[in-house]
Amino acid sequence: GENVEQHPSTLSVQEGDSAVIKCTYSDSASNYFPWYKQELGKGPQLIIDIRSNVGEKKDQRIAVTLNKTAKHFSLHITETQPEDSAVYFCAARGVSYIPTFGRGTSLIVHP
Amino acid sequence: GAGVSQSPSNKVTEKGKDVELRCDPISGHTALYWYRQSLGQGLEFLIYFQGNSAPDKSGLPSDRFSAERTGGSVSTLTIQRTQQEDSAVYLCASSLAGAGVGSGNTIYFGEGSWLTVV
Repeated sequence: GENVEQHPSTLSVQEGDSAVIKCTYSDSASNYFPWYKQELGKGPQLIIDIRSNVGEKKDQRIAVTLNKTAKHFSLHITETQPEDSAVYFCAARGVSYIPTFGRGTSLIVHP
Repeated sequence: GAGVSQSPSNKVTEKGKDVELRCDPISGHTALYWYRQSLGQGLEFLIYFQGNSAPDKSGLPSDRFSAERTGGSVSTLTIQRTQQEDSAVYLCASSLAGAGVGSGNTIYFGEGSWLTVV
């Protein structure tokens, strides 16, 4: 089955800095890669996703890049703000239709 | 509804009791998933429904766990004879059905049911 590794587990940045979270996956058939943000006491919320026919996707301060050859994808947050503080999860989904999630990254943005 | 609805939002139960957790997916979504999230951990897959059938229930941790879905909508996750290690957040998610590889239908999560077994 699919295996998703996510790094780092904790990321601490100053407000205004950029944050990068990286994930690798094992199943070359995976073709859909969503990212979720989970605030304390809430369910995960989709923030951006990318499909395997696209290398990069941007939405305001958030961007995701995908390298199919290397089987890794990354989340980039620019100009971080305190409200970006949360746990971020990457996921990969392919033929099984069951998304496999990474273990999460706790992002802390210091004012 | 507007989003995935789960109930109860919080449940404290005594060890050995049975609990039922309910999920009401987004209207029209035929795919439904249950995940478990222990404190500070990632999302552990439990079971996947397509309509009323469960083509993948490989994540259910023991025979104390079962789930059903009726009418292609509401799903119930039942935990029998609860143990303290069952304490976790149980998350439900749904998405539109897709046809095999290439489907990128967005998965939407509910707020979760926080289960504490004492």
